[in-house]
Amino acid sequence: AAGVIQSPRHLIKEKRETATLKCYPIPRHDTVYWYQQGPGQDPQFLISFYEKMQSDKGSIPDRFSAQQFSDYHSELNMSSLELGDSALYFCASRRQGRSYEQYFGPGTRLTVT
Amino acid sequence: SQQGEEDPQALSIQEGENATMNCSYKTSINNLQWYRQNSGRGLVHLILIRSNEREKHSGRLRVTLDTSKKSSSLLITASRAADTASYFCAQTSGSRLTFGEGTQLTVNP
Repeated sequence: AAGVIQSPRHLIKEKRETATLKCYPIPRHDTVYWYQQGPGQDPQFLISFYEKMQSDKGSIPDRFSAQQFSDYHSELNMSSLELGDSALYFCASRRQGRSYEQYFGPGTRLTVT
Repeated sequence: SQQGEEDPQALSIQEGENATMNCSYKTSINNLQWYRQNSGRGLVHLILIRSNEREKHSGRLRVTLDTSKKSSSLLITASRAADTASYFCAQTSGSRLTFGEGTQLTVNP
């Protein structure tokens, strides 16, 4: 079965640079979520989209933005990167009305040096 | 994280033993989910229990929910080395997941 795809899997950036993370949800899933997981921490919700519209917003810094495109893939744009942005970034998808279960991608490990 | 706190945060057992992980939460829930995460990898959904359920089973997993105490427990029976992972409870707030701190389970062969 198709799973959530995230790219790139690993990314190394320097402080003040910009990064773009991509997420391709499971086909027919209409909702995408982004989570950030720092070292040894639990995942923290950043933002979600339902049918290409932002549906919920969590603890996402103003330096970050995200969108969902017409093909349902989503991108998380991160600017003015800081050392503290080093983390695993997960995308998850879900089909509303079917189940509360979220399907997670393998994550993108971002390292800011 | 302030909600969905697991207890204990690290658990080491021998293969074949049972592992119990507890979770507490602070706000009312529609449902509570448990996820598993192998080191540095994506989270995998294990089981969901609704607020009107008290116990649920899935294979070697048993989840209980006590809404009066705002707590849940995940029991893994007859553990295997392959069960070594971090386990998180997560409450659904709207549709976002709010995770607890996770319990690192190590099952020694």
